[in-house]
Amino acid sequence: NAGVMQNPRHLVRRRGQEARLRCSPMKGHSHVYWYRQLPEEGLKFMVYLQKENIIDESGMPKERFSAEFPKEGPSILRIQQVVRGDSAAYFCASSPRITPDEAFFGQGTRLTVV
Amino acid sequence: DAKTTQPTSMDCAEGRAANLPCNHSTISGNEYVYWYRQIHSQGPQYIIHGLKNNETNEMASLIITEDRKSSTLILPHATLRDTAVYYCIVRALTGANSKLTFGKGITLSVRP
Repeated sequence: NAGVMQNPRHLVRRRGQEARLRCSPMKGHSHVYWYRQLPEEGLKFMVYLQKENIIDESGMPKERFSAEFPKEGPSILRIQQVVRGDSAAYFCASSPRITPDEAFFGQGTRLTVV
Repeated sequence: DAKTTQPTSMDCAEGRAANLPCNHSTISGNEYVYWYRQIHSQGPQYIIHGLKNNETNEMASLIITEDRKSSTLILPHATLRDTAVYYCIVRALTGANSKLTFGKGITLSVRP
């Protein structure tokens, strides 16, 4: 059973471009969480999705950021018109049920905005 | 905001037990205690979780006090590869509260 797969592992974008980060949850998992980790800081929750639904987006910036988890395919975190402050590591986690199962994390996508 | 408090850092000698404390005095009856660790900016790794009873798995033991206001993660024989940031997290059962809220964690340094 493959783990949570994130791609790309590294992404470089120029200011103003769009960044699309993908997360394929573990097989059978229908819950996905996205986190952002700025350099030298802790992990900050961004959004929690179930298939085709956003459950909690309280950590998402109000502008430029969006997330989806379609019925088929990976979850996508999209950042439009990237700025240098968006440079960070973005992690996703998946779990099969809400609780008490553990959530498994991917290895992250490191976004660098130049 | 994280509902747990942990010391900033600690160290221990290789081969000795590492005891990592965590306070969660406002924990609710339906909230579990989870521990994750992050090794050098890799993805966080699940370690263990519990509700009331002490738990043990191949990685660690979790000791939860009777009033559930604090807990201790025990790595029985620490190795250099256990050097990491360890996060103690309380997590609810339902809905939006099921997200994992990370605090600053405790940096464990295992010395040779």
